[in-house]
Amino acid sequence: QQQVKQSPQSLIVQKGGISIINCAYENTAFDYFPWYQQFPGKGPALLIAIRPDVSEKKEGRFTISFNKSAKQFSLHIMDSQPGDSATYFCAANPIQGAQKLVFGQGTRLTINP
Amino acid sequence: DSGVTQTPKHLITATGQRVTLRCSPRSGDLSVYWYQQSLDQGLQFLIQYYNGEERAKGNILERFSAQQFPDLHSELNLSSLELGDSALYFCASSPGLAEYEQYFGPGTRLTVT
Repeated sequence: QQQVKQSPQSLIVQKGGISIINCAYENTAFDYFPWYQQFPGKGPALLIAIRPDVSEKKEGRFTISFNKSAKQFSLHIMDSQPGDSATYFCAANPIQGAQKLVFGQGTRLTINP
Repeated sequence: DSGVTQTPKHLITATGQRVTLRCSPRSGDLSVYWYQQSLDQGLQFLIQYYNGEERAKGNILERFSAQQFPDLHSELNLSSLELGDSALYFCASSPGLAEYEQYFGPGTRLTVT
């Protein structure tokens, strides 16, 4: 079964610090890796995504690092702000066919002011 | 606001009952996806429709069914409800089959008593 494992389950970071969330997948049959941000009572919102042909993608304060050989990818939030406090999900989309995202279990991020 | 709408926002019903959840995709999007979010299982892909046709199935129970209508809105039907079906149900949409980005609606919270 295709799985994506996410860690940590929860994370507390001081304002201005760097938040790092990690994900690992168990097989190579994925070709798209998005990160979603979810606030309480809302649906997941696409934050940033990467394909396996690049090792890093940056959008503003958010960076995805991708290590194909280790089957790992991570989200870095620079200069973390209280407004970044949310649950973050990594996901992966299988190669060949339907876009049926496989999600990690989520990380609850709290940024302390 | 992703542009995906879902109704109702909340639904409370009894075991054994049947409910219908409704989703309207973003304007112009042809693909609709349904996901279930529960505390123990996380976000799980249920089913995808593209332009009225079923394209992919995930871990969807036989008691659940979906359809996409000519106006592209979709409905998820849940029958013979059990306590364990209590969850958040999200609809997402994307422009077509080739694009990977999925945009999620605000969800329907289903409580089975």
